[in-house]
Order: sequence, then structure tokens, then C-alpha cells
Amino acid sequence: EPEVTQTPSHQVTQMGQEVILRCVPISNHLYFYWYRQILGQKVEFLVSFYNNEISEKSEIFDDQFSVERPDGSNFTLKIRSTKLEDSAMYFCASRPKSGGGGPQYFGPGTRLLVL
Amino acid sequence: DQQVKQNSPSLSVQEGRISILNCDYTNSMFDYFLWYKKYPAEGPTFLISISSIKDKNEDGRFTVFLNKSAKHLSLHIVPSQPGDSAVYFCAASDSGGGSNYKLTFGKGTLLTVNP
Repeated sequence: EPEVTQTPSHQVTQMGQEVILRCVPISNHLYFYWYRQILGQKVEFLVSFYNNEISEKSEIFDDQFSVERPDGSNFTLKIRSTKLEDSAMYFCASRPKSGGGGPQYFGPGTRLLVL
Repeated sequence: DQQVKQNSPSLSVQEGRISILNCDYTNSMFDYFLWYKKYPAEGPTFLISISSIKDKNEDGRFTVFLNKSAKHLSLHIVPSQPGDSAVYFCAASDSGGGSNYKLTFGKGTLLTVNP
């Protein structure tokens, strides 16, 4: 069964450093998402991406964040200058194009720790 | 901002009995609802969904009920099995134009099924 994959599974970085989190969505999916979950808190929406552009972003997704789909398979989240509060699990998700919703399928997540 | 609320942080049931997980929402624009299951160190796994045009959807041991007037949904698991022990997240989306179906999650309920 096709699944969303994410690399790395864990990332430790120093505050102020740049990190790139990578995702390979399910191949025939057209909508892509990043969410994060700070320890003990809810899963929160960060950004959605469709047709090679950001379609919606949350207030969390400030100028330090960017997303890219550099080729036909990868979908990346870049944090330009990490802060301590960026420590969280980051989940990538994808969804096939369909009318009226439809489930999103999540990857296993990347645990980011900013020191 | 708690648009999706899961008021029970935990639930414990005996194997073979029914598990009922509850979820309330406040945003009347939500029209698609999902339940996800999550094991530690894994991403959320899609379980079952329901559109607001329905009041019940069933898939094997899992049934989701939607009460739009009360803005309430519930997930029933019958019979419960020890392998069902996990955190269950309720999520909702608004399929209206431009929303990109981003998901708003509840905080989750930890279900423990005792043998």
C-alpha cells in the first residue's frame, strides 16, 4: 500500500541553523500539507500546497518557513533560522484531488529538536 | 482557539466491550469530519470519515455518528481489541472554496483496551 515517507526521522540542530525536512507524498496525490505537533499539544496546520504553490498557510508559517516541490516526488519544508520553540514533530500529509474533502494521509513524522 | 474539542484525555475499556470516543466542534463551517489513530513515534493513521450530509458511517468495527445540531460526533469501536490502544484524534475541515481542506485537530483521547 502506498504511503507517505519522511526523512530524517530525527533531527537535532542548534538554534539559528537552517533545517530541511523532506517528504515523499503518495505518487498520485495532488495536495500536500505540513503539520506540526509540539509535545503535549494538538496537531497544528502549517501550510498547504497545490499546483506548485502555497494555497494556504497558518499564522505559524512566518517568513522563516518555506516549502518547495523541487522535483516530481519530493516536498520539503525549510526552516531558515531555527528557534527553540520550533522543536516539535513535523508531519507531512498528502491527499488525492477529489471533490469535497477526502482524507489526508500522513507520514511518520520528523522529530526536530532545537538546542 | 479550540474549534475541535475532545474533552476526555483518556478512556479505558475491557477487551470485547464498546469504546465510545467523543468530539465536539464549534465552527459551523466544518462539513467533513475524520478520525485518526496514532501510535507513539508514528504519524496519524486515517480510520474513518463522515460528510455532513450523513449522520452515520460504518467501516467494520468502527462507526462514526454525526449530530450536526449538537455539533457533536462520536466514534464507536465494537468489539474493542487490545491493538486498538492508541491516541485517537478527531479532525474537521471546511470544504468551502479556497480552504484547501486543511484539518483542525482535537487534542486527542488515549484509549486503553485491557485484555
